[in-house]
Amino acid sequence: KQEVTQIPAALSVPEGENLVLNCSFTDSAIYNLQWFRQDPGKGLTSLLLIQSSQREQTSGRLNASLDKSSGRSTLYIAASQPGDSATYLCAVASGYSTLTFGKGTMLLVSP
Amino acid sequence: SQTIHQWPATLVQPVGSPLSLECTVEGTSNPNLYWYRQAAGRGLQLLFYSVGIGQISSEVPQNLSASRPQDRQFILSSKKLLLSDSGFYLCAWSPGQGTNTQYFGPGTRLTVL
Repeated sequence: KQEVTQIPAALSVPEGENLVLNCSFTDSAIYNLQWFRQDPGKGLTSLLLIQSSQREQTSGRLNASLDKSSGRSTLYIAASQPGDSATYLCAVASGYSTLTFGKGTMLLVSP
Repeated sequence: SQTIHQWPATLVQPVGSPLSLECTVEGTSNPNLYWYRQAAGRGLQLLFYSVGIGQISSEVPQNLSASRPQDRQFILSSKKLLLSDSGFYLCAWSPGQGTNTQYFGPGTRLTVL
């Protein structure tokens, strides 16, 4: 059974810092890995999707990497802003049409 | 463009009462549809998914059920709610299997008292 772990559970940084969120998964037989953002009381917004054959994806200040063999992914956020404050969720597609989520990293960026 | 709707946005129900949550998708056809639950302190848990009308797969045994009466409509139901059913329920859709991202609705906050 696939298990996804996210570290740290919470992170507080001052505005402008670069930061890294970590995600690990137990079964390397995956279709893809996705990073989502969730604002309090809201649904999820897809940030980046990395196919199993890819090593990284970039979107603006966000960069996600994937090392499938070691079961790890990182989400790098450059020059953090208060608007980046949210919970970031990592999810792995390893079954037919299903995602397994981590519990998330709650990020607070203070001005 | 595609949009996904969920209602109601919030719901407070007594233990033992029935439940019906609705999810609809616009702007696409034959989507895969999903129901997730997010409980306090826990990750998102997949409850049901559907690859077509009348086709429902259950991931977790529980007192909830799902139905897909139309191509772009997905309903989550219960005959008798439990306290443990409280949580944030999210519906999602994807254009295919495996390699595609899922798009999430705004969610329904359910509190069972």
